[in-house]
Amino acid sequence: AQRVTQPEKLLSVFKGAPVELKCNYSYSGSPELFWYVQYSRQRLQLLLRHISRESIKGFTADLNKGETSFHLKKPFAQEEDSAMYYCSPRDQAGTALIFGKGTTLSVSS
Amino acid sequence: DGGITQSPKYLFRKEGQNVTLSCEQNLNHDAMYWYRQDPGQGLRLIYYSQIVNDFQKGDIAEGYSVSREKKESFPLTVTSAQKNPTAFYLCASSIDSLYGYTFGSGTRLTVV
Repeated sequence: AQRVTQPEKLLSVFKGAPVELKCNYSYSGSPELFWYVQYSRQRLQLLLRHISRESIKGFTADLNKGETSFHLKKPFAQEEDSAMYYCSPRDQAGTALIFGKGTTLSVSS
Repeated sequence: DGGITQSPKYLFRKEGQNVTLSCEQNLNHDAMYWYRQDPGQGLRLIYYSQIVNDFQKGDIAEGYSVSREKKESFPLTVTSAQKNPTAFYLCASSIDSLYGYTFGSGTRLTVV
């Protein structure tokens, strides 16, 4: 079965520290991958997508096909980055997105 | 103002009753999706529709039904056959899943 794993349920860092939210997916090939973010009391929104190779709010994510990973990184965390983050590969049929269980990022001063 | 609207925000129903959750979009997106979000479980796909008058089961379709009679609308019915219906339900739409989704704000269903 296609699966995506986000091993950390909660990640707590201090403001200014580097952040890495881990994501591993279980299937071969070149899936399209996304990161979604849900800030407190806001709807789930797209943070970045692999296909466009863009950097949003200082976050980047690199696809590592050998490790089947798509970790989300930011060199200097800000308090406003505190949110729930979901890694999401497109399923192999190309019809829908699969979501991990999410990682809560807490950034404190 | 383009977007995707879910209603109601909160819904309470008695056990054994069917209930329908509304999802409407004015983004002219072909594809629409329903997910269920439970604490610690992430989002799980219930149903999706890539085009009007067609829809497919997701991973947890049992106890749910949908229709797609209009491009803009994709209502979800939670039937009495759903064993654990209390959850947060999210609707999403996309031009194509390749480009990601736009999500609604969700409906929290509580069955008592």
